[in-house]
Amino acid sequence: DIQMTQSPSSLSASVGDRVTITCRASQSISSYLNWYQQKPGKAPKLLIYAASSLYSGVSSRFSGSGSGTDFTLTISSLQPEDFATYYCQQSFSNPPFTFGPGTKVEVK
Amino acid sequence: QVRLVESGGGLVKPGGSLRLSCAASGFTFSDYFMTWIRQGPGKGLEWVSYIGGSGSAKYYADSVKGRFTISRDNARQSLYLQMNSLGAEDTAVYYCARGERGLDDAFDIWGHGTVVTVSS
Repeated sequence: DIQMTQSPSSLSASVGDRVTITCRASQSISSYLNWYQQKPGKAPKLLIYAASSLYSGVSSRFSGSGSGTDFTLTISSLQPEDFATYYCQQSFSNPPFTFGPGTKVEVK
Repeated sequence: QVRLVESGGGLVKPGGSLRLSCAASGFTFSDYFMTWIRQGPGKGLEWVSYIGGSGSAKYYADSVKGRFTISRDNARQSLYLQMNSLGAEDTAVYYCARGERGLDDAFDIWGHGTVVTVSS
């Protein structure tokens, strides 16, 4: 099975900061990498699919890049509503569609 | 309005069983694969199970294989998860999610979740 890792596990940032989160797959997953945002007590929401495509309705301050095994999620200018936990997830080939362990973005 | 609503969670004793349901509305249910994802207390997201649009293709995480069974009723626009031999490690919020082939199999619509607690 494909394993996913994320770094950092948590970070502290201020409103207006540029934030970058990294996700790595244990083998090549082409561009089958998705990013989700989850706030406490809420269901996750899809942000980015296919590594770099912005899901409908998601702010353009979110962007994704990468292919193969290494991927990044960037928030260009952190807003108050962006403090949350972010998960990467691979959807390459057949299931299991594993998630990364998450990155918590906290207020500095 | 596209919507998923889970139900069936609750408190169950170790070794017990529970059946979760997920009611879909606002889209043609049979056109999409569906998944169950869970999140233990203070933990990350764990993919649990997948079922194809017709119901024939099914996959499970190793942690639930042989104990959980996923199924769907396309006429009723409903997804199910039969959970047997439950243990404390199965305590979690269980989400159903829609898989969208056009988004490279990303999970684009999620339910609000249903809480399963396994405790004596």
